[in-house]
This record gives sequence, structure tokens and C-alpha cells, in this order.
Amino acid sequence: SQQGEEDPQALSIQEGENATMNCSYKTSINNLQWYRQNSGRGLVHLILIRSNEREKHSGRLRVTLDTSKKSSSLLITASRAADTASYFCATDLTGNQFYFGTGTSLTVIP
Amino acid sequence: DTAVSQTPKYLVTQMGNDKSIKCEQNLGHDTMYWYKQDSKKFLKIMFSYNNKELIINETVPNRFSPKSPDKAHLNLHINSLELGDSAVYFCASSTISGTEEAFFGQGTRLTVV
Repeated sequence: SQQGEEDPQALSIQEGENATMNCSYKTSINNLQWYRQNSGRGLVHLILIRSNEREKHSGRLRVTLDTSKKSSSLLITASRAADTASYFCATDLTGNQFYFGTGTSLTVIP
Repeated sequence: DTAVSQTPKYLVTQMGNDKSIKCEQNLGHDTMYWYKQDSKKFLKIMFSYNNKELIINETVPNRFSPKSPDKAHLNLHINSLELGDSAVYFCASSTISGTEEAFFGQGTRLTVV
């Protein structure tokens, strides 16, 4: 069953602006991960946040996790045209299971 | 070096045929997966194998049969292909599943005509 749902489905911003996308999920998780998919390519792991963590940073990426609301957000600061891609959250329930949402399609306009 | 490799990258075939997609990982991971991504980009887990043993088999028609000859390989065989099987299939692997990132192959775009 589908576990994560990203919001918005599509996002278009100007280069240099920040992009925020959200993920909601349904059940308790061990961790939540964000992936990026460029058009026609496989998924690339961006960042993992564990259920006992609330915020994590990696370069221009900032991820938050609110387990009480069963939601996470991914913030990309100072966006670049190369950030144009689809972004997916994936939740791990009890191991051996990565459940993905439908993704947010981000377009960064140069 | 390619971490997770799938072949073929593209596969066009007629309804009713049987086809296989191969996947290999050279990362020493214990767990491998198959995902199906439909035209709306929704990624659905199909199978999960841990050390050659089936862990997860989501609601997938039994026309789909995974085969894991060793923990570095997880092949997907599909019998009696249907139009609705057209999608991009991704293989992935990870260490102790769920605690670390998964590495994905580049995908196999299957088109059934």
C-alpha cells in the first residue's frame, strides 16, 4: 500500500529561491529518506532522517521530521537549474520495506 | 564502477511473451528489491529479497517471478506479458534493510505492445 504522499505534486521556482516540499505518511516508521530522480534516470539518495531525529542538514538540503504529525519536509536552499528533478520521500516501516510516494516534480527556472 | 546494474535498459515486446530483466549489485549488500514505476511516477515495491530469501511479495500477479541465484543478483521474470505491465522497473539494494540508503539501478523501461 502507498505509504508516503508528497505535496505539492509540482513546484516551479526561479533559480536562487528556496524550494520546500512535504511528505506525509500513515504509520509509524523507523526512518524516512528523500530521493531525487532526474528524468529517465534511477533514484539517488539525498538524506536519511531517523525517527528519533527532528532535523538534519546536508549541504543545501534541510530535512525535518515530525513524527506526531507523521510528516516531513525537504527544503532546498538557493536552488539551481540542476536541481530540476522529481523528489520522493520513502518510509521504512519494519525493515526490508521502502515505501515511496508519488513525488514532487520540481522545476527551477534559470 | 556501476553499483547496481540492470539489463536491458529498454525492452519492447508483444503481449503474451515471456521476458526477463537482470539485476546485479557489486556493493556486497544483503537485500535487493524490485520496484515498478508507473506512468504517474508512482513507485511501488514488488519484491524484497534478503540473502536470497524472499521477504516481501506485495500484491503482484504470479506472472512475475523473482529469482535470486546469489545475494548479488535478483532477476525478474515475467510470463504472459500484458499491456498493463508497461512501466519502468527498478532494481535496488541496501545493507541491513531500512537502516541505510538504498542504491537504485537506472531502470528498465518495458513497453508491451
